[in-house]
Parts: sequence; structure tokens; C-alpha cells
Amino acid sequence: RKEVEQDPGPFNVPEGATVAFNCTYSNSASQSFFWYRQDCRKEPKLLMSVYSSGNEDGRFTAQLNRASQYISLLIRDSKLSDSATYLCVVIRLGGFKTIFGAGTRLFVKA
Amino acid sequence: GAGVSQSPRYKVAKRGQDVALRCDPISGHVSLFWYQQALGQGPEFLTYFQNEAQLDKSGLPSDRFFAERPEGSVSTLKIQRTQQEDSAVYLCASSLPRKETQYFGPGTRLLVL
Repeated sequence: RKEVEQDPGPFNVPEGATVAFNCTYSNSASQSFFWYRQDCRKEPKLLMSVYSSGNEDGRFTAQLNRASQYISLLIRDSKLSDSATYLCVVIRLGGFKTIFGAGTRLFVKA
Repeated sequence: GAGVSQSPRYKVAKRGQDVALRCDPISGHVSLFWYQQALGQGPEFLTYFQNEAQLDKSGLPSDRFFAERPEGSVSTLKIQRTQQEDSAVYLCASSLPRKETQYFGPGTRLLVL
């Protein structure tokens, strides 16, 4: 079993839809959590950090449940430009060993 | 400002050849990471440097893989006697001291024939 697991999708949604991605991690010593976005044949880029209190950035909301070792990302009012792979990322205690999930692919259609 | 740069962007090697991949991190970024990304997968951690010190190399898949950062800036990932399974995108990332956001370079696409 991988340390960080994501539903690979793909998720095919129409513009304007709300879509949610989930991620689970198995190492309870994980300390920091992120969502990165990766466009086709490009490098990953930070989308947002994830905190237990939840955080929101425009149409994007991320949530962490430490007890269940579960991370989520909600995208509201999907745009065509949201089409990408979303990578769940966990950093282990100690601050540098970074574990990526395999990614969830999203296609937003007109 | 300049981001993380990597060279070459593409490399085709014959099985058994040695290759060297270069990463120029963002100026002032103390932390430097190397990852291997296979098609359809997320990046897999290979190794981590803090300045010139290699603090973790647990992700290097075999002793054919070697990384260095002798002056704490530019880093080189070397793969000896390349095998077909080494074909992947090799990503480099850097970050500021005590900051966890990693900035990635465009990657080197390695194809071993």
C-alpha cells in the first residue's frame, strides 16, 4: 500500500460544477500537507497548503482530518482552466521527506 | 525572477551509458530536492540537500544513482550504466530556509533505449 493514496480519476465535469478530491495518508508522523497542481508535461506547482482548521482560496477549499488521516480538496464553479492533475503531498516529521500521491486527473468540459 | 532551471531538458541515452543531469535552484534557496516521475505517476522522492549536505538519500533506487551539491547551489544527479527502467522525468525543486513550499524546475526527460 502506498503512503499517500488518491483516486486517480479521471473526473470529467462540466464547467460550473463542484468537484471534490480525496486523499489518505498512512504515516501518522506526517506533519505538513499540500495540494499541488500539475499540467500536462509541466512541473508541479503549489496550489495550497492544508490545515486542520481548513483553508479557502477563492474557489478552492482544502481540509485536513488528522484523526482519519484524510485530506480533501473542493473546487467550486469549475473552469476549463482547472483541467489538470491534482497531487496530494505530505511532508514527514523532520521537514523534508516529501511524499506525493499519484495524482487525480480532472477534465472540465464546456 | 529566475526560477529553477534544469539541463538538459531532454536526454536520450543508450542502455549502459552514464548520464548527468543538472539543476540550478533559485538563488538563496537552501533546500534542494530531486524526484523521479514515471508516466502517470506522482513524483517519487530521491534525495534532499540542505546547502551542500545531503541529508537524505533514501529514495535513490540503486547505487547507480548519485547526487551532489558541492558548493551548496548547483546540483548534479548522475546515473551510471543506465537501464530502460530509468526512463522518466527527473524533477528538481528548491525552497527557502524553514519554508516548505517547493518550486520545481521543468524537469529533464530521460529516455534510455
